[in-house]
Amino acid sequence: GENVEQHPSTLSVQEGDSAVIKCTYSDSASNYFPWYKQELGKRPQLIIDIRSNVGEKKDQRIAVTLNKTAKHFSLHITETQPEDSAVYFCAVGYGNKLVFGAGTILRVKS
Amino acid sequence: ETGVTQTPRHLVMGMTNKKSLKCEQHLGHNAMYWYKQSAKKPLELMFVYSLEERVENNSVPSRFSPECPNSSHLFLHLHTLQPEDSALYLCASSLETSGSLDTQYFGPGTRLTVL
Repeated sequence: GENVEQHPSTLSVQEGDSAVIKCTYSDSASNYFPWYKQELGKRPQLIIDIRSNVGEKKDQRIAVTLNKTAKHFSLHITETQPEDSAVYFCAVGYGNKLVFGAGTILRVKS
Repeated sequence: ETGVTQTPRHLVMGMTNKKSLKCEQHLGHNAMYWYKQSAKKPLELMFVYSLEERVENNSVPSRFSPECPNSSHLFLHLHTLQPEDSALYLCASSLETSGSLDTQYFGPGTRLTVL
């Protein structure tokens, strides 16, 4: 089956700095890579996703890059703000299901 | 109410009780999912239903029994649970087309505590 590893497990940045979270996966047939944000006590919400036919996608301060050859993809958040503080999960589309990473706790210090 | 809803939001039960979790989606989706979220662990997929048929059972113990009576509703029936089953149970739904995965929308979850 698919195996997803996510790093780092915690990340602290100063407000205004950039944050990068990376995930690696094992099955080259996987073709869908979403990122979810979960604030404390709330449901996970999709913030951006990418499919395997695209190398990069951007939405305002958030971008995702995909390296299919190396089987890794990354979330980039620029100009971080305190409201970006949350747990971020990557996921990999494998067959008819998503396999999630363990999550990254992002703390943005003001 | 729009989106994906779950009831109850909190549930405390003893190990000998029987209870059910309910999920409802108002998005016109055709696939629904149950996940378990425990502290410091990845979201664990439990069950997948597509067009009301169970297409995935991720080695879940039989004390968890799902039911999908129609494409808008999903239940998780619980009986003789163990304390280690205490977790946040999340429901999600998506629109599956041509076998391609799409965005999954999550409900708010049910916080389950087994005493």
